[in-house]
Amino acid sequence: GAVVSQHPSRVICKSGTSVKIECRSLDFQATTMFWYRQFPKQSLMLMATSNEGSKATYEQGVEKDKFLINHASLTLSTLTVTSAHPEDSSFYICSASRDYMYQETQYFGPGTRLLVL
Amino acid sequence: AQSVTQLGSHVSVSEGALVLLRCNYSSSVPPYLFWYVQYPNQGLQLLLKYTSAATLVKGINGFEAEFKKSETSFHLTKPSAHMRDAAEYFCAVSDSDFGNEKLTFGTGTRLTIIP
Repeated sequence: GAVVSQHPSRVICKSGTSVKIECRSLDFQATTMFWYRQFPKQSLMLMATSNEGSKATYEQGVEKDKFLINHASLTLSTLTVTSAHPEDSSFYICSASRDYMYQETQYFGPGTRLLVL
Repeated sequence: AQSVTQLGSHVSVSEGALVLLRCNYSSSVPPYLFWYVQYPNQGLQLLLKYTSAATLVKGINGFEAEFKKSETSFHLTKPSAHMRDAAEYFCAVSDSDFGNEKLTFGTGTRLTIIP
């Protein structure tokens, strides 16, 4: 149980275009989802936290207008990288947690590798 | 603010040898500590977590970690390394073990197993 999927797994796009990444909790309802970004050989950096039905909370230094996050349902959150540039190329990982009453950690998706040309 | 420091970005051990990956934490509140493993091009998988119930925590794949408050450490060990253990390992800290609290990760340690 507690499987999180991401789609697509890899995406290549041209500079200036927008890319949408989906994060789904397959067998549980995720009240909270997190979006991380990981540069090569570096750690995961939290970008934002999203709760179903409310606006995402962005970490300091993350542009909310560039990285649009939508958590419209209890099983789906999307990250849209708007007007992507080569420096946005990275590995984007989402995680999801169930209702706060469950004392457990986050479940991570397999990640999406974005390459902006 | 919470943080973790992983000493050694690369660790190499021979197959069958002891694995020791170091993690030190800084936290103003009682910490909840985690070890995750990341295989190439995959997301993170939880190995184990410390939630104050016991200082020695046993996880999956034969790994364990010991919480030492006096040393502010949470080192990960495995008695005998296997080739399949080759991966990136991340230590993380949170101020809660509820899944909706954010995690702060260390910079990771890449473990290489020598045949």
